[in-house]
Amino acid sequence: AQSVTQLGSHVSVSEGALVLLRCNYSSSVPPYLFWYVQYPNQGLQLLLKYTSAATLVKGINDFEAEFKKSETSFHLTKPSAHMSDAAEYFCAVRGLGGGGNKLTFGTGTQLKVEL
Amino acid sequence: EAGVTQFPSHSVIEKGQTVTLRCDPISGHDNLYWYRRVMGKEIKFLLHFVKESKQDESGMPNNRFLAERTGGTYSTLKVQPAELEDSGVYFCASSQEGFSQETQYFGPGTRLLVL
Repeated sequence: AQSVTQLGSHVSVSEGALVLLRCNYSSSVPPYLFWYVQYPNQGLQLLLKYTSAATLVKGINDFEAEFKKSETSFHLTKPSAHMSDAAEYFCAVRGLGGGGNKLTFGTGTQLKVEL
Repeated sequence: EAGVTQFPSHSVIEKGQTVTLRCDPISGHDNLYWYRRVMGKEIKFLLHFVKESKQDESGMPNNRFLAERTGGTYSTLKVQPAELEDSGVYFCASSQEGFSQETQYFGPGTRLLVL
């Protein structure tokens, strides 16, 4: 069965500090990987996605993620956190193990940005 | 272009009652998905429509849940009778072609509370 693990349900950083949100997946074949963000009282918004092209993927709001096959990871980073980045972040995979088009999500990481 | 819309935004009902959730996908999107997030858990896939046909309903929890997509446009998800464990946020998403690497666009969700 396919799965996604997000380490750390809550992450707190200072404004201006590096943001690192971890995501690991299980798969025997290269997956498609996504990061979504949910701001308070809003729906899920796509931040970026990996679709087997470049392993370093750049997304909106200066976020980026690197696909590392050897580590089965797709960690999300941002060089400098802003207060507006406070939200919940979800890693998701698709197309694993004959799962079709459905997305399999991690449990989410709540990011808190402090002054 | 309007995004995915969902109605209602919130619903509070008593155990045993019926609730119907509605989703309007982005115009022209043939693929429509329902997901659910129970409090504290990951977002889980419920089912996938291609136009008016159910492509994958492997995530539907039981026969108390009925999803329809009239004429391949909007979709409804009915829960009858509702149980306490049905509480959570129900998300709808849509995509145009249904390829694995394609972005699914999410609505804001319906927050259902069963008392």
